Parts: sequence; C-alpha cells; structure tokens
Amino acid sequence: DTGVSQDPRHKITKRGQNVTFRCDPISEHNRLYWYRQTLGQGPEFLTYFQNEAQLEKSRLLSDRFSAERPKGSFSTLEIQRTEQGDSAMYLCATPLEGEWGYTFGSGTRLTVV
Amino acid sequence: AQSVTQPDIHITVSEGASLELRCNYSYGATPYLFWYVQSPGQGLQLLLKYFSGDTLVQGIKGFEAEFKRSQSSFNLRKPSVHWSDAAEYFCAVGRAGNMLTFGGGTRLMVKP
Repeated sequence: DTGVSQDPRHKITKRGQNVTFRCDPISEHNRLYWYRQTLGQGPEFLTYFQNEAQLEKSRLLSDRFSAERPKGSFSTLEIQRTEQGDSAMYLCATPLEGEWGYTFGSGTRLTVV
Repeated sequence: AQSVTQPDIHITVSEGASLELRCNYSYGATPYLFWYVQSPGQGLQLLLKYFSGDTLVQGIKGFEAEFKRSQSSFNLRKPSVHWSDAAEYFCAVGRAGNMLTFGGGTRLMVKP
C-alpha cells in the first residue's frame, strides 16, 4: 500500500488515440504531483496541483497533455493524439506528512503502438 | 537550474560486500536531498532524506548517506549488501514547491 492509487496499471493504445489516467490519494493532501519516467531514466516533473489549482507545468507537458484535479482530491491526466514518444511510466505522488519528499503511486505504464 | 548526476549507470557487488552509490548535485541554495529505490515492476520507495543538521543520515533497510557540501555530494552506502537490494537507485534534489529533480539512476546487481 503506497498511499496513492493509480489506475490503470498498464495501458496499451494505438498511436493517435486519447488516453486518461487517474490518481487517487488515500488520504487528503493539498498538493499532488505528476511525473513521467521513461525506460532507463529517472522521473521527470510534469505538473503539480495545490488543491484544485494547477500551479506549475513542465515544458515536457505539451498541448496534447491536460491534467485536472476538480475537487482537490483525485486527479486525472489525459493525453490526446498519443505518439510513440509518450510511452512511459506516469507517476503520481503526494507529499510526505509535513515534509519534503513524496509518496509515489505504483504508476501507469503507457505503451503506444 | 538544479541537476543531479549519478556517475555509475550499473554497479555489481557480491552479496555481503559493502556498497557506495555516488550522487552529485548542483543547486544554488541549501539542498534537500533524497534517495529512492525502485525494484523491478515496483514503485519508488523513499530510502532516506536530508534537510539539515547531521550530515550523516540513516534510512531504511540499513542504508545511510552522507551529505558533503564541499563536494556537492550525497553518496549512499550500505555496509553489507543483501541479494534483495538488487534494484535501481535514484538520487534527487528538491527545489521550491517540493519539486524534485532526479538523477538518471544506478542499477545495482548483486552476485551470490
């Protein structure tokens, strides 16, 4: 139990299709983070939310990507018109209690074929 | 801009041997430093973190790390490696807003 649930665990999609991932923190957190990890690399920051507000977006987050956190609890990450370069593990994270650092979810592995 | 370098992509050690994984960071202010471990098919687990104070920090699973400001390093150590320690290890530095910048990782293999 990581404290963060992500769904689905795996997603295979054809190039050009849209996909949506969901992140559910088990307990309430003001902040929620999305990272992407490609094979053989460390995670890279995508975006984060303070409650419902999306406060920062990485340059990695092209116009095809959109993230929401409508009620300040769960979050969704949508990728439109997927490309093979979008194949990666998408990780959601919430802050450690009162401290720096995160608890990560197990991630959603996206494969674009 | 902050950055993290993990010079060793792969390391192989024998079970029972000592381990040191290197991490160098670049950050203009006082760094917040982390080590995470990722086992195959698993999520990232926090091993330890450094915010301030004692430069030698203890973590879970018998790991420790030492912050050396003069060398901009935060190396991870373990006195005796177990086969279950085989995994990928990531060093990270935090910046304002609790955003982490990760290194490229070091894959540890353990020989019986």
